[in-house]
Amino acid sequence: AQSVAQPEDQVNVAEGNPLTVKCTYSVSGNPYLFWYVQYPNRGLQFLLKYITGDNLVKGSYGFEAEFNKSQTSFHLKKPSALVSDSALYFCAPPTNTGFQKLVFGTGTRLLVSP
Amino acid sequence: GAGVSQTPSNKVTEKGKYVELRCDPISGHTALYWYRQSLGQGPEFLIYFQGTGAADDSGLPNDRFFAVRPEGSVSTLKIQRTERGDSAVYLCASGSGPSGANVLTFGAGSRLTVL
Repeated sequence: AQSVAQPEDQVNVAEGNPLTVKCTYSVSGNPYLFWYVQYPNRGLQFLLKYITGDNLVKGSYGFEAEFNKSQTSFHLKKPSALVSDSALYFCAPPTNTGFQKLVFGTGTRLLVSP
Repeated sequence: GAGVSQTPSNKVTEKGKYVELRCDPISGHTALYWYRQSLGQGPEFLIYFQGTGAADDSGLPNDRFFAVRPEGSVSTLKIQRTERGDSAVYLCASGSGPSGANVLTFGAGSRLTVL
């Protein structure tokens, strides 16, 4: 079975500084990896995904993530954080059942201070 | 429509009552998912439809929960004899197909409160 771990419940960063939200995965075979974001009182929104190919994936709102097979990581990054980036971030792989079950953990809360 | 629409946005009911939550997916999306998100938790998978059929209902917590998608578009999540523990935000998502590579588009959710 595939699983992910987000080791930090919360990440605090000052506006303008770079941010990293960590995700490590455990999977057999080649993983599909996704990042979704949940803004307050709103549903989840897709940020980016890794399927195959280039290890550096660029997504919405200036976010990017690097797939690192040797470290089994898929950390989310942004060079310069905005206060509006404050939200709950979920890293999620699908289960290996041929469709997209997207097993979510508890996520990482990002707080960007002005 | 342009996005996934869920109604009602808020539902308050009494313990023991019956509740229906509706999801209208993006037009043409064959895959539809229901998730439940409790306070402070990530979304928990409930059920997945591909077309009209429930391809995986392994996440439904018990037989009080049931979902249908009779025409392969709109879906209704039905909860019988509601309990206080059913209080949560119920999220619906749709996708363009069954591939694990497809992106899901989520609705804003239906917040259910059972008194």
